[in-house]
Amino acid sequence: NAGVTQTPKFQVLKTGQSMTLQCAQDMNHNSMYWYRQDPGMGLRLIYYSASEGTTDKGEVPNGYNVSRLNKREFSLRLESAAPSQTSVYFCASSVSYNEQFFGPGTRLTVL
Amino acid sequence: QKEVEQNSGPLSVPEGAIASLNCTYSDRGSQSFFWYRQYSGKSPELIMFIYSNGDKEDGRFTAQLNKASQYVSLLIRDSQPSDSATYLCAVKDKIIFGKGTRLHILP
Repeated sequence: NAGVTQTPKFQVLKTGQSMTLQCAQDMNHNSMYWYRQDPGMGLRLIYYSASEGTTDKGEVPNGYNVSRLNKREFSLRLESAAPSQTSVYFCASSVSYNEQFFGPGTRLTVL
Repeated sequence: QKEVEQNSGPLSVPEGAIASLNCTYSDRGSQSFFWYRQYSGKSPELIMFIYSNGDKEDGRFTAQLNKASQYVSLLIRDSQPSDSATYLCAVKDKIIFGKGTRLHILP
């Protein structure tokens, strides 16, 4: 089992460009999450999906959209990237609100 | 007040000593907690789960929960350089993490 996978691992964007971060899990988990992590700020929840077909905003949703494509996949889209979105992005999954399993992260730089 | 608070550190502890990491929470209704460890440049991984008042031991790690005082602690005995990492406290049933405490074990 691969666990939680994320693509890409690294990305550099120019201000105003758009991109989608992909996340997939093979553990049959119902819940999936997107976080960003900045120095000194800890993990901040962007969006989560408690089950297939549902999505909810987290602490810092502005500038992002998500799609729960199916039970396995949960994507995060930046429509018009800004330098403030430079961060490390983690996807995670869990069975309901139990232990979360994290992907390896995507390091995004917006110039 | 943030729902989960941790001292950001860094906390420096000599090798072989006991490292003590603390987390306080504001919601008295919170029942159980996770401790995650995150090495630099890596993703968080679960190391302990505690839901009962008192202590829970797993190898060199002991989690302590005091619901009356609303704090949860993680003790690491016989600290090793490989324990150097950031430790994140999280509330189960809520998607809430503390900001983490950076631990540095001095060889």
